[in-house]
Amino acid sequence: EDQVTQSPEALRLQEGESSSLNCSYTVSGLRGLFWYRQDPGKGPEFLFTLYSAGEEKEKERLKATLTKKESFLHITAPKPEDSATYLCAASTSGSRLTFGEGTQLTVNP
Amino acid sequence: DAGITQSPRHKVTETGTPVTLRCHQTENHRYMYWYRQDPGHGLRLIHYSYGVKDTDKGEVSDGYSVSRSKTEDFLLTLESATSSQTSVYFCAIRTFNLDTEAFFGQGTRLTVV
Repeated sequence: EDQVTQSPEALRLQEGESSSLNCSYTVSGLRGLFWYRQDPGKGPEFLFTLYSAGEEKEKERLKATLTKKESFLHITAPKPEDSATYLCAASTSGSRLTFGEGTQLTVNP
Repeated sequence: DAGITQSPRHKVTETGTPVTLRCHQTENHRYMYWYRQDPGHGLRLIHYSYGVKDTDKGEVSDGYSVSRSKTEDFLLTLESATSSQTSVYFCAIRTFNLDTEAFFGQGTRLTVV
């Protein structure tokens, strides 16, 4: 059975304090690792897709990396507007996306 | 925004009644998905479609059916709503261009009383 686990469940940072979120996956035949941001009351907002170990993608203060067993979302010098829940999902055969439960990030000014 | 519209955005219904949620897309994407999101469970796949009249079950499909008679519309039906189906429902589409991406609608909050 495909599994995606995110840690920590919640993370509180001070503005400017860099950190990383973890997404570990156990799936058969990874076809893509997706990262999303979700604000309260809204649908998940697409951030990145990673395909193979060693790949990295960046967007503003966010950088996603991928290894054979996990992915990291690095947040550099976060701002309060980066506060949200961050979700990762693994795509396997049949084009399904299996999601983790998310990391709730709070950035205090 | 990938041109995804979910309707209704909010609905309260009584136990035992049928309910249909609609997902409409404007960009002709082949793959469409229905998820539900609940505290402690995250996003779970209900059903998905890979073309007109081509659908398959996800991990929590019991009590739900889907139909896709046109590329742009994917309907989710709760045959006889139960309180355990109170949830936020999200529709998603998958794109396969230079990059593979998946975009979500804004969600439908369904309450079964």
